[in-house]
Amino acid sequence: GAVVSQHPSWVICKSGTSVKIECRSLDFQATTMFWYRQFPKQSLMLMATSNEGSKATYEQGVEKDKFLINHASLTLSTLTVTSAHPEDSSFYICSAPQGGGGTQYFGPGTRLLVL
Amino acid sequence: DAKTTQPTSMDCAEGRAANLPCNHSTISGNEYVYWYRQIHSQGPQYIIHGLKNNETNEMASLIITEDRKSSTLILPHATLRDTAVYYCIGYNFNKFYFGSGTKLNVKP
Repeated sequence: GAVVSQHPSWVICKSGTSVKIECRSLDFQATTMFWYRQFPKQSLMLMATSNEGSKATYEQGVEKDKFLINHASLTLSTLTVTSAHPEDSSFYICSAPQGGGGTQYFGPGTRLLVL
Repeated sequence: DAKTTQPTSMDCAEGRAANLPCNHSTISGNEYVYWYRQIHSQGPQYIIHGLKNNETNEMASLIITEDRKSSTLILPHATLRDTAVYYCIGYNFNKFYFGSGTKLNVKP
């Protein structure tokens, strides 16, 4: 199957700093990628759709100025958590559909802890 | 996208078949049923998907009822490594919205 990577796998930062998370499709190109957030013992919550060459679209209730998304190339999308606060601590996961099909392949996730 | 409902948790003995049900009574005609699983602290892993015919791959089998209102994921010989949360998702080439999933506990 297709491989999606994320970097870093975990990050600890101080409150008020910004953190960038990378999502890469390693063996395929993706014009669209998706970002999810998962709190402990909860399901994945879709945050936004990253679109190569255009603006990301955000789910209702997700602050676009807080979570900046840049789809820089057909294999890379980045999520920047700006001015992070402890309540932003979570498990962030990206996914990308391979080819024209609907099957999405997920990255291993990035665990963010804001102190 | 169809709302799906799944039991919160299930137990299965190692080596036995695990049958995980999913109700998707509001699924539309062009929505696929996708199954993923998430092992603790990892990203979800694709298992199988189908539209209306039963499907089988090296991981599992998917049985979809004729009216498409429910489906069952079958792991033929569960192992301890199959312990995970299993998600059933109705998908029409738009976005994935995850429900609560079923926590499958495979016991020795």
